[in-house]
Amino acid sequence: DIQMTQSPFFLSASVGDRVTITCRASQGISAYLAWYQQEPGKVPKLLIYAASTLQPGVPSRFSGSGSGTEFTLTISSLQPEDVATYYCLKYNSAPYTFGQGTKLEIK
Amino acid sequence: EVQLSESGGGLVNPGGSLRLSCAASGFTFNSYAMNWVRQAPGKGLEWVSSITGSGGSTYYADSVQGRFTTSRDNSKNTLFLQMNSLRAEDTAIYYCARGPLSDIFYFDSWGQGTLVTVSS
Repeated sequence: DIQMTQSPFFLSASVGDRVTITCRASQGISAYLAWYQQEPGKVPKLLIYAASTLQPGVPSRFSGSGSGTEFTLTISSLQPEDVATYYCLKYNSAPYTFGQGTKLEIK
Repeated sequence: EVQLSESGGGLVNPGGSLRLSCAASGFTFNSYAMNWVRQAPGKGLEWVSSITGSGGSTYYADSVQGRFTTSRDNSKNTLFLQMNSLRAEDTAIYYCARGPLSDIFYFDSWGQGTLVTVSS
């Protein structure tokens, strides 16, 4: 099975900072990669699918890139409401695997 | 508006069974894949199972293969998860989630979840 390795596990940054989270697949998955945001105590929310396509309604400060085995989620200017745990998901074929998550806090 | 509402969670003894339901509304149910994702207390997200829009194909995580069965009733816009031989490690919030198409398996809408606790 393909493993998804997400880094870092924890990230502390200041408001206005550019933040990057990385997800690596143990084998190529083309662009079958999605990103989710889960605010504390809330249901996960889809941010990006197909590695770089923004889900409607998601702020444009979020962006995704990558293909094959390496992917990134970037927040161009961190806002207080972005405090959350972020997960990647590979969905090229079963099993559909999430990364371990990155907990993002405001410094 | 897409709405997904899970029910059927609760406290069950190890080795017991439970059947979760997910009532869907606001979209053409049989045109979309449906999925179960769980989250153990304080832990990350874990995909559990998926089913195509027609119900013709199902997929399971290794951790639940042979114990859990996913089905759907497209006439009643309802998704099910039959959970047998439950273990303590199955304790989690179980979310149902919609796929964007009949056979595409990322999750674009989520229910609020139902808590399953496996304990004696």
